[in-house]
This record gives sequence, C-alpha cells and structure tokens, in this order.
Amino acid sequence: QVQLQESGPGLVKPSQTLSLTCTVSGGSISSASYYWSWIRQPAGKGLEWIGRIYSSGSTNYNPSLKSRVTISIDTTEKQFSLKLNSVTAADTAVYYCAREMGYGSGPFDDWGQGTLVTVPS
Amino acid sequence: SSELTQDPAVSVALGQTVRITCQGDSLRDYYASWYQQKPGQAPVLVIYGKNYRPSGIPDRFSASSSGNTASLTITGARAEDEADYYCNSRDSSDNHVFGTGTKVTVL
Repeated sequence: QVQLQESGPGLVKPSQTLSLTCTVSGGSISSASYYWSWIRQPAGKGLEWIGRIYSSGSTNYNPSLKSRVTISIDTTEKQFSLKLNSVTAADTAVYYCAREMGYGSGPFDDWGQGTLVTVPS
Repeated sequence: SSELTQDPAVSVALGQTVRITCQGDSLRDYYASWYQQKPGQAPVLVIYGKNYRPSGIPDRFSASSSGNTASLTITGARAEDEADYYCNSRDSSDNHVFGTGTKVTVL
C-alpha cells in the first residue's frame, strides 16, 4: 500500500492557476500497473474525476475540465502534479490524488488525505 | 458524458441487509468499483471488479451486476458502516465517472 500526500496553496485567487503536487511513497510511481489520478469534491457534494497520468507521461482528462487542466509527472521525485487554470469559486473543493489500478474498471485503491483549495468569490 | 445514478439515501436497521444500486450505460461494459467515505475522510475502496474486496475490508460487503445496474450489498450492517457510498467506473472514452452517492444510515 502506497502513501500519497497532496501539497499546495490552500487559497487561490479567481482567474489564477491552481497548482497541487502529490508525493508518492512506499511504492514505485513508475510501476507499469498503475495510473495516477486527481479527483475533487466540493463541500457537501460528490466526487469528480479530473484526470490521470501514466508514468510515460500519457494523460486523460475529464472532458468538462480538459481545456483548463494539465497533469504532469516527475518520476525521479516520485511526484505528479495538477494545474488548473482560470479558476473560479466553482473550483473550490477538496482535491485528492489517488492511485488507479491499470486494468479492468481501474479502481482507485489508494488515496491521499485530500487538501482543501478555496477560490474566493 | 457518462453518468452513474444512485439513490440519495437509504437506511438499514442494525444487523440487517441493505443494497445500494448504481445505474449507468458504462456499467454494461465495466464493473463498478465502490467506495466508502466517512465525514472528513478520504474515500476507501471497498469492492472492485466482479466482487473483490481489498485487504482489510470485511466480507459483509459484496457486489453484483446485471445489465446497466451495479449493486453493493452490506449484509449484517454495523454502526461503523454508516457513511456515504460512491460507485465508479470507466466509460467508453477511457475516462472515469463517479456515481452521485448514497448516504447510508444505520438505525
């Protein structure tokens, strides 16, 4: 079981870029068996998948966020990162990073504790 | 984009059985994964694939699927099972979608 830890600013101004990093420990971020995803959850609401990255750097994004999202990976630092630009108050949420099994339905078997990002209105 | 629909809330008496359902077109091609989320905590995977439980998940959690509907069953519900439950699957574009969530109350 790997450990994932999100880090980054808790407050982002409207129209600016939200930047978060997830550090992976206790396992290999380069494993061919897993993808690495970002998921968010506004207060009192459900989960929304943002996108994923593979160790090779290939990515998939939620179509509803694709125009604003970039996910990158640094295997030497064992980190992957999220950038979401042009943020608004609607982007206020707890952001989770998670490990995704790379087969079948791709379940998320390990999650970070989550980090709250607030965009004031 | 794909959608997964869940009942907003269900309740179950202590020790009884409750079934949570998830409906969506993507479930015709992919099994659902199920997550338990307690207040202030990250989701925890409880079921994936046909009916697999990660290490440490009690065997009172089980899953089934038929057509476009997936179900999570808790047999002999305990007070600690009170939580929000979310289903999830991939879709035909290899993106992920989460269900709307079900709040389970143990009476």
